[in-house]
Amino acid sequence: EAGVTQFPSHSVIEKGQTVTLRCDPISGHDNLYWYRRVMGKEIKFLLHFVKESKQDESGMPNNRFLAERTGGTYSTLKVQPAELEDSGVYFCASSQVETGGYTFGSGTRLTVV
Amino acid sequence: GNSVTQMEGPVTLSEEAFLTINCTYTATGYPSLFWYVQYPGEGLQLLLKATKADDKGSNKGFEATYRKETTSFHLEKGSVQVSDSAVYFCALSDKGTGGFKTIFGAGTRLFVKA
Repeated sequence: EAGVTQFPSHSVIEKGQTVTLRCDPISGHDNLYWYRRVMGKEIKFLLHFVKESKQDESGMPNNRFLAERTGGTYSTLKVQPAELEDSGVYFCASSQVETGGYTFGSGTRLTVV
Repeated sequence: GNSVTQMEGPVTLSEEAFLTINCTYTATGYPSLFWYVQYPGEGLQLLLKATKADDKGSNKGFEATYRKETTSFHLEKGSVQVSDSAVYFCALSDKGTGGFKTIFGAGTRLFVKA
């Protein structure tokens, strides 16, 4: 079974530009999560999809971040316009049940300069 | 709110040494507890879990026991190997207003020297 795939693995953009991160979950996993780790600190929750619906987006930092999961398959996370503090590693995870034990992707390292 | 606190790293050990990484949590309900590991260049992998008090999770020689009385879930291994060098994250999953959410600690980096 293929794992959770994230693209790109690295992205370096200038402040004010737009970046779109993509996550392909494990096929059949209804639950999809986005997390972010900034500067070696804790991994912080961003949001949770169940199929195509946003179950919980309480962790989204502000309205510069937009997440979508059209059709309940892959998800995108767009940052527009990017700021310096958005730099970090963005992880996507998926699971069949929402009670924990996720499968994570390798992450996208975003650097805003 | 819920939170996870784990010991700061890095932790540096020699091969075959005993490992303990401390983790304590705060939760309003009855969470499930997890340890995840991130090897260099890879994503997080679930290492072990425990879903109720006094449960012991174990995998690859690692163990952790869910201690409700001390709100702890310390990770232990009797004899570490160089290949165990990685970042270890303690986490809890609990049901909130938006459904279940997993919260992570800051991670502890482990270096094992040959």
